[in-house]
Amino acid sequence: GAVVSQHPSRVICKSGTSVKIECRSLDFQATTMFWYRQFPKKSLMLMATSNEGSKATYEQGVEKDKFLINHASLTLSTLTVTSAHPEDSSFYICSAQELQETQYFGPGTRLLVL
Amino acid sequence: AQSVSQHNHHVILSEAASLELGCNYSYGGTVNLFWYVQYPGQHLQLLLKYFSGDPLVKGIKGFEAEFIKSKFSFNLRKPSVQWSDTAEYFCAVNEGGSTLGRLYFGRGTQLTVWP
Repeated sequence: GAVVSQHPSRVICKSGTSVKIECRSLDFQATTMFWYRQFPKKSLMLMATSNEGSKATYEQGVEKDKFLINHASLTLSTLTVTSAHPEDSSFYICSAQELQETQYFGPGTRLLVL
Repeated sequence: AQSVSQHNHHVILSEAASLELGCNYSYGGTVNLFWYVQYPGQHLQLLLKYFSGDPLVKGIKGFEAEFIKSKFSFNLRKPSVQWSDTAEYFCAVNEGGSTLGRLYFGRGTQLTVWP
């Protein structure tokens, strides 16, 4: 089946630093990748949609300069949290989609900003 | 904007009990419907999906869901749950009849099954 990986699985960083999270589709080409944020006891909140080779589309309220998304290839998308602050601590999940197929989710990345 | 409601936040059952988790959505047009499951410490996995055709869809691990258009519902069912079904269950909806584009998620239902 379709496998999506994320790296790292968890990261702790100091306030003010930047953190990069990678999302890879391992056995298929993902024309579209999605980045979600999941709060405790809450649903997944879509942050942005990225299509390979083009700029990401951000959801309302998501700062594009803070959450930089790059989808340089059909198997890799990256989310960079710039100048991270404690309120950015969360669980970040990506999903990948091949053409009009179902979205497959990565295992998530736990970010803790001290 | 689409909204997805899962009315049961936490369901506790004994093994062999029957399960029904509610899911309602707000969009009046064509929709694709999904149920995802998240086992403890694992990532979201697709349980089943409805795009068109027979409104009763069968998924993995004995789960099924019924799309009732008139009620804007897509409830998840399993006749006899097992301890291993303990997980968080998310209903999701995609608008417009295309699987391209965003998924709207419900807030999830935590299912706990006691052996």
